[in-house]
Amino acid sequence: QSVLTQPPSASGTPGQRVTISCSGSSSNIGSNNVYWYQQLPGTAPKLLIYRNDQRPSGVPDRFSGSKSGTSASLAISGLRSEDEANYFCAIWDDSVVFGGGTKLTVL
Amino acid sequence: EVQLLESGGGLVRPGGSLRLSCAASGFSFSTYGMSWVRQAPGKGLEWVSAISAYSGSTYYADSVKGRFTISRDNSKNTLYLQMNSLRAEDTAVYYCAKGGTGSALLEYWGQGTLVPVSS
Repeated sequence: QSVLTQPPSASGTPGQRVTISCSGSSSNIGSNNVYWYQQLPGTAPKLLIYRNDQRPSGVPDRFSGSKSGTSASLAISGLRSEDEANYFCAIWDDSVVFGGGTKLTVL
Repeated sequence: EVQLLESGGGLVRPGGSLRLSCAASGFSFSTYGMSWVRQAPGKGLEWVSAISAYSGSTYYADSVKGRFTISRDNSKNTLYLQMNSLRAEDTAVYYCAKGGTGSALLEYWGQGTLVPVSS
């Protein structure tokens, strides 16, 4: 059981905006940067968002991250079929701690 | 281009040992901390271990402490994970990743190597 709570699943239709939440506490999300990773089916995870809201080079601006208090969110706008994947949030708390992951389905 | 290539996975019996390797290229390996992260079949990500760039300080998840040893050879740009006293619950795909010391930034990941532990 992770200290970071994510909904196990989310879904949306093409073109829609979807958000995935990552809930924690004042001692983890509240005092650390949040990172997001995307894992497409059958592949290795990939860094999607770093330091709460920064996108690495090559990540489309359809993906955005935010943090407020003890929660963080990943938003995907203009949903596309290729966004169907597992998404994990992560923080540093004396080690890397991952959320349980959210499986995003594009209907 | 950053590349991380794991090797050494394979079927091992409970109680057995295995050493994983991760060959790095495309960046100054010796100046970055490195990590191992695993994923059991159908499950989420679990951080396993990390090693710092300069001091070689090592860090372990409680689930593997005392059984796994992380190390690096900067002359060979290679990261290692020695796994002893393996258990069925260690069955997973093991990924090496650039970063993971002092922050949850895992900037690049390898393709992973599967370690099934079964009799």
